[in-house]
Formats: sequence, C-alpha cells, structure tokens
Amino acid sequence: DAEITQSPRHKITETGRQVTLACHQTWNHNNMFWYRQDLGHGLRLIHYSYGVHDTNKGEVSDGYSVSRSNTEDLPLTLESAASSQTSVYFCASSETGLNQPQHFGDGTRLSIL
Amino acid sequence: AQKITQTQPGMFVQEKEAVTLDCTYDTSDPSYGLFWYKQPSSGEMIFLIYQGSYDQQNATEGRYSLNFQKARKSANLVISASQLGDSAMYFCAMRERSGNTGKLIFGQGTTLQVKP
Repeated sequence: DAEITQSPRHKITETGRQVTLACHQTWNHNNMFWYRQDLGHGLRLIHYSYGVHDTNKGEVSDGYSVSRSNTEDLPLTLESAASSQTSVYFCASSETGLNQPQHFGDGTRLSIL
Repeated sequence: AQKITQTQPGMFVQEKEAVTLDCTYDTSDPSYGLFWYKQPSSGEMIFLIYQGSYDQQNATEGRYSLNFQKARKSANLVISASQLGDSAMYFCAMRERSGNTGKLIFGQGTTLQVKP
C-alpha cells in the first residue's frame, strides 16, 4: 500500500542548531506540503511543492526551507532552530485536482530547548 | 480574515446520538472544495469526507454526512450514531480553485468527546 512516512517521529534539539525533518511518499504524487500544528492555530502551511525542483512559500515560511530533488521526498530544514519552532510537523501529499484529499504522514514532534 | 471558522472548540455527545460540528468558510471563488479530517489522540490526520461547491447533493460517507448550505457558506459535519472511537479533533478545510494551488486552508478544529 502507498504511504507517506515522516522521520524522526520525535526530536529534541537546541536553539541555533540546523534540523532536517524527512518526508517520503510512495503515492507518486506531484504535490507535497509541510504544515505545523500548534494549539489554537490548527494546521498552518509552511512550504509546498508541485513537482521536482518546484518549491513555494506558505503562510509561515520564515526560518524554514525545502528542496525537491525527486518525486518521493520533500525534506524540511530549520536553518537555525528557535524555541518558537517547537511544534508538531505534518507532511502531506496529494494528486492534482480540486476534489483530491491530502494524505498525511503521522507527524514529527519537535522540541527546541 | 479567517477563511475557515470552526466556532466550537469542544463538544460532548452521548454515545449513539448524532452530533453536528460547525464549519463556515469565506471565499469569492465560485469553484472550491471542502474537506473534513479527523485527528484522534494518536495524532494522525484521517480524511473523512469531501464536498464540491458545484455538487448538487450533500456528501455522505457511512456515518458521516455533510450539511452543505452554499448560500450561508457553511459545511457542517454530521456524525450519526456516535461511537466512543469518534472522540477526536475534527478539522474543516477548504481548497480554492483559483491559482490551482492545491493548498488546503484549515480551521482551528473542534474537539469531540463521546460519552458512554
């Protein structure tokens, strides 16, 4: 069965460090998305990609970057981790189309001390 | 302005009863889609149901149905015959066709507790 996998599931790091969260999907979807989930804010879009070498900023992109070198992977990098980036991060992918649901990974809980 | 509004932070329902979770949205795009997701305490996001803006009938998927009132810009989720396993957070989300971006805009969620 096709799936979308995030790693690690949990991570603790220190402020100022670079952190990379992995996202790998076997759906063969062109569209991939990164969200963060914080209490009271629902899910907010960080970055997204519509295909290889395509990346776009979402509503909360400051301090984050992504790269898309193949269809399956969209790693999310925190260049210099800040305590405000402590959150739960979700990766998602979808087919193109108005009615296509996004399929989500199980999330990464990131704590920055 | 909020594009998706879920006004009920938390709700309780008795097991086997029906419950309605509210969602209102704001868009000027005539073509859009509305989604509901369930997030149990384990954390994963589970797609439940979809309603397109041009769909003539309300969407249904098993015990889930969508009360879609286009003029009021509301897309309420109805869960019939609630089960203990329905206890979770529920998110309403919208995708607009303009720009063909594929992005989903999420509401803040409603936590549902099903009482035995």
